[in-house]
Amino acid sequence: QSVLTQAPSVSGAPGQRVTISCTGSSSNIGAGYDVHWFQQLPGTAPKLLISGNSNRPSGVPDRFSGSKSGASASLAITGLQAEDEADYYCQSYDISLSGWVFGGGTKLTVL
Amino acid sequence: QVQLVQSGAEVKKPGASVKVSCKASGYTFTGYYMHWVRQAPGQGLEWMGWINPNSGDTNYAQKFQGRVTMTRDTSINTAYMELNRLTSDDTAVYYCAKKQSGAAYGLDVWGQGTAVTVSS
Repeated sequence: QSVLTQAPSVSGAPGQRVTISCTGSSSNIGAGYDVHWFQQLPGTAPKLLISGNSNRPSGVPDRFSGSKSGASASLAITGLQAEDEADYYCQSYDISLSGWVFGGGTKLTVL
Repeated sequence: QVQLVQSGAEVKKPGASVKVSCKASGYTFTGYYMHWVRQAPGQGLEWMGWINPNSGDTNYAQKFQGRVTMTRDTSINTAYMELNRLTSDDTAVYYCAKKQSGAAYGLDVWGQGTAVTVSS
């Protein structure tokens, strides 16, 4: 059971918009800690997609955006493309665990 | 370019130890924390801890305290993660990842991963 909760899967057709949510608690996201998002393509290492809740590292398309509100965060992907099919993970810091925590991951399927 | 290159796959017996290396290049090794993350087959990401390559200070996830040791050798820009008393539950791909500077920033460069298999 992950400290940060993500839906196991989400799907969308090419060109559509999808959102992936990440729900935490008052000991992590709700405590004000930043949320980062990672994309993991099959058989590869994770890649930083969103840093500090909403910042895109250089090279990440602006189709990807992040937001945070209260104890939750969201990753939005617009203009879905086949290459977006991957696992997506949120990550934050948890004060009660004194360490970083990941969400369980959401598998995005492009129909 | 900034790069993290990890050591090769390992096969270990239960009860043994494994030490994974992570060689950094293209940036100032001592300027950025190094984190370790693992991923069991078909499972999600699990944070293990970090090391400050400059001071050697470490912070381990509660789950691994007493069983993991993170070290570094600044002369060769390499970080290490050693895990003791291995069980089959430790079968996973282990990643090192460099953290961007600043509290609001994430793990921006990852190693290619090292597969560790624990089997009798």
